[in-house]
Amino acid sequence: GAGVSQSPRYKVAKRGQDVALRCDPISGHVSLFWYQQALGQGPEFLTYFQNEAQLDKSGLPSDRFFAERPEGSVSTLKIQRTQQEDSAVYLCASSLGGGAEQYFGPGTRLTVT
Amino acid sequence: GENVEQHPSTLSVQEGDSAVIKCTYSDSASNYFPWYKQELGKGPQLIIDIRSNVGEKKDQRIAVTLNKTAKHFSLHITETQPEDSAVYFCAATRGDSSYKLIFGSGTRLLVRP
Repeated sequence: GAGVSQSPRYKVAKRGQDVALRCDPISGHVSLFWYQQALGQGPEFLTYFQNEAQLDKSGLPSDRFFAERPEGSVSTLKIQRTQQEDSAVYLCASSLGGGAEQYFGPGTRLTVT
Repeated sequence: GENVEQHPSTLSVQEGDSAVIKCTYSDSASNYFPWYKQELGKGPQLIIDIRSNVGEKKDQRIAVTLNKTAKHFSLHITETQPEDSAVYFCAATRGDSSYKLIFGSGTRLLVRP
């Protein structure tokens, strides 16, 4: 069946630009997560949604990062005024419920020049 | 906060040999421990997981063991094949959260034909 999909797969942004990254979770999955993965490191938690409610945004690095999931399905991670340290792979995962197995998408590699 | 340590960082084995990757965690309340395989340019793929009420779980050539007293868990791959070559990540939930995964730093496994 269809897994988690993310778009775009690659994004190059000039410093100061805004970017929007999209995640389509597995159909029927209530929970959605965003992670940031720096080169050579494990993913780091950014934020968690249950349906359309953002229940945890404790991992967002600054107020330049904003995530939404208005209809409880597709989610968008927005980064305003990008900086070089934002360069990373942004991973989306979904699960049937909060404590269930998380399935990851292929990620979006963001490069800020 | 919760910390997950993973060893070794790289592991090279001959095809057909076994590979073992070890992780330790710091939060004694952690109760879910998944393992992910990540190939180049792809998102992490869940390969096996274990919950704290079980000591061992097996799925064909892959097994995971959990020692709650010592707070460590291990991934065992038997009869390794070249297609097992990838980066493997362990993870643990934070004790105060059923969903927030804390990842280890990864093990790059190379299986030599």
